[in-house]
Amino acid sequence: QVQLVESGGGVVQPGRSLRLSCAASGFTFSYYGMHWVRQAPGKGLEWVAVIWYDGSNEYYVDSVKGRFNISRDNSKNTLYLQMNNVRADDTAVYYCTRWTGDEINWYFDLWGRGTLVTVSS
Amino acid sequence: EIVLTQSPGTLSLSPGERATLSCRASQSVSSSYLAWYQQKPGQAPRLLIYGVSNRATGIPDRFSGSGSGTDFTLTISGLEPEDFAVYYCQQSVGSRWTFGQGTKVEIK
Repeated sequence: QVQLVESGGGVVQPGRSLRLSCAASGFTFSYYGMHWVRQAPGKGLEWVAVIWYDGSNEYYVDSVKGRFNISRDNSKNTLYLQMNNVRADDTAVYYCTRWTGDEINWYFDLWGRGTLVTVSS
Repeated sequence: EIVLTQSPGTLSLSPGERATLSCRASQSVSSSYLAWYQQKPGQAPRLLIYGVSNRATGIPDRFSGSGSGTDFTLTISGLEPEDFAVYYCQQSVGSRWTFGQGTKVEIK
């Protein structure tokens, strides 16, 4: 079925690195721009990063620029988020989500269940 | 960056009542990029409304959206038990995406 499944979360020490993955299935992954959105415990949703369908462009929220890198492997139907020099305020559930539209309206229509990243010494 | 401010923070209502949620943008938002999501505890967000007023697949018609420019509204015409959740508005412009801080609809 059509789904996104995140993995790679866990406990990581401040200043260390972690790589999240998001496996897509049931649809043509290479057709869609993909995003990471995070949610700190008890808080709201925060957009983190986007990568174009072909990997040609990437954009980030200011708080992760220079530390996080979004990438994708369309041959493996997988989205990644490389998190470097992590900080306590990166602690959150990280969701991958699909950006889609009908040529007029654009929105996040498919979400994974999320993976929890806890930054703690 | 466009900031979305949702109000109220919490809405306490009884089943069957009408819920009116507001989302105000710090500058004008394209209607094509204004959406609403519902999130229940322990679950991922779920698309409700896109393009200000279009219901996503499978969303009941008690959910409706309206607005333009900087002021947008999500209305739930008669709350069902499964509607008690947190609701987020979201917009994108210039390769930046932002969410409102959310409105929690709780049982009174």
